[in-house]
Amino acid sequence: DVKVTQSSRYLVKRTGEKVFLECVQDMDHENMFWYRQDPGLGLRLIYFSYDVKMKEKGDIPEGYSVSREKKERFSLILESASTNQTSMYLCATQDPVSRGSSPLHFGNGTRLTVT
Amino acid sequence: DAKTTQPTSMDCAEGRAANLPCNHSTISGNEYVYWYRQIHSQGPQYIIHGLKNNETNEMASLIITEDRKSSTLILPHATLRDTAVYYCIVRARNNDMRFGAGTRLTVKP
Repeated sequence: DVKVTQSSRYLVKRTGEKVFLECVQDMDHENMFWYRQDPGLGLRLIYFSYDVKMKEKGDIPEGYSVSREKKERFSLILESASTNQTSMYLCATQDPVSRGSSPLHFGNGTRLTVT
Repeated sequence: DAKTTQPTSMDCAEGRAANLPCNHSTISGNEYVYWYRQIHSQGPQYIIHGLKNNETNEMASLIITEDRKSSTLILPHATLRDTAVYYCIVRARNNDMRFGAGTRLTVKP
């Protein structure tokens, strides 16, 4: 089974802090994704990556950056956390071998609160 | 990119089949239909996907209409643990998937 591990289930940070959310996968998948989930808005794509050192903006990249230095690790960075970034953050991976049909595999999420 | 439309909520009696509909009338010929579900406080869980043929696995069956403009996810014998939000997604360009609001399924005893 694919395992996607997010480093923290719950995180509380102060406004203005730099925040790192880490995601690690054990299946050697090239594609990795970061979503945020908010009530009434569903899941929204922040950034994704198809390979090491590659990144693509999703629908809502503002206020975020990402880092993919190793294949198994995809980090989401909040340069200066703000209260409107309080949310559930979800990491996902995908095997690109059969891009047309390969599903996403999600971690259990990090619930971030910015005070 | 193809959009999907799902009912906001549905109820189902425990032990009965749960049939969750999804409309995707603008789907392109090479786009797959995926279903995920999310139980409270967990990440979304992959259920099943298909292109044009009906599919079945240990969790569910997926019925896609011949014109591919709609599909139905069937949980054959719903249990209380199937209570969740179910998402129908059509895979967009460049591998990214867009999730809508989904259908909140409540299985009642």
